[in-house]
Amino acid sequence: TQLLEQSPQFLSIQEGENLTVYCNSSSVFSSLQWYRQEPGEGPVLLVTVVTGGEVKKLKRLTFQFGDARKDSSLHITAAQTGDTGLYLCAGAVYPPGGTSYGKLTFGQGTILTVHP
Amino acid sequence: EAQVTQNPRYLITVTGKKLTVTCSQNMNHEYMSWYRQDPGLGLRQIYYSMNVEVTDKGDVPEGYKVSRKEKRNFPLILESPSPNQTSLYFCASSLTTGWGEAFFGQGTRLTVV
Repeated sequence: TQLLEQSPQFLSIQEGENLTVYCNSSSVFSSLQWYRQEPGEGPVLLVTVVTGGEVKKLKRLTFQFGDARKDSSLHITAAQTGDTGLYLCAGAVYPPGGTSYGKLTFGQGTILTVHP
Repeated sequence: EAQVTQNPRYLITVTGKKLTVTCSQNMNHEYMSWYRQDPGLGLRQIYYSMNVEVTDKGDVPEGYKVSRKEKRNFPLILESPSPNQTSLYFCASSLTTGWGEAFFGQGTRLTVV
């Protein structure tokens, strides 16, 4: 069973600060996704990283996939109150053959609160 | 608009009273799944379906049933709900496989008393 550990579980910061959320595993993943979930809504995909060492930027958000594809991080620069929400990482392993079933394994999530 | 629709959004029921949570997607996705979300545990997969009439257990299937008679619908059935099934439930669909972008419904908050 693949497990994803997210840290920290809770993060409370002031607007304008920077933060990093980590997603770690002892297993290798074929790809890593990051989702953001707001209260009363389902998670929404932010990004997918697939190559070891890959870095993707989405405005003030920077996502990195570890070289060994066992970990990932999400860095937010100059946080805004609109960034408040639950951030979830999810890893996938592609079975041999490429087209058969693969499963997303979710981390526990990081609850981010950005205060004005 | 592409979406996954769950009903109801909120449900309070009593122990043992059978209930069904419906899920429908309009994106012609083959893959659908059900998750439950509990504090500190993230999203745990209950059941998934790779296509019509093809379903299988996820990580926490006990106490749940599903069916996939049509591509767009994937209802979750609790034959005899118990208080430990009180949770927030999400239905999700993906284009072809379990690891593609998952589109989630808005969730169903279930309370079993």
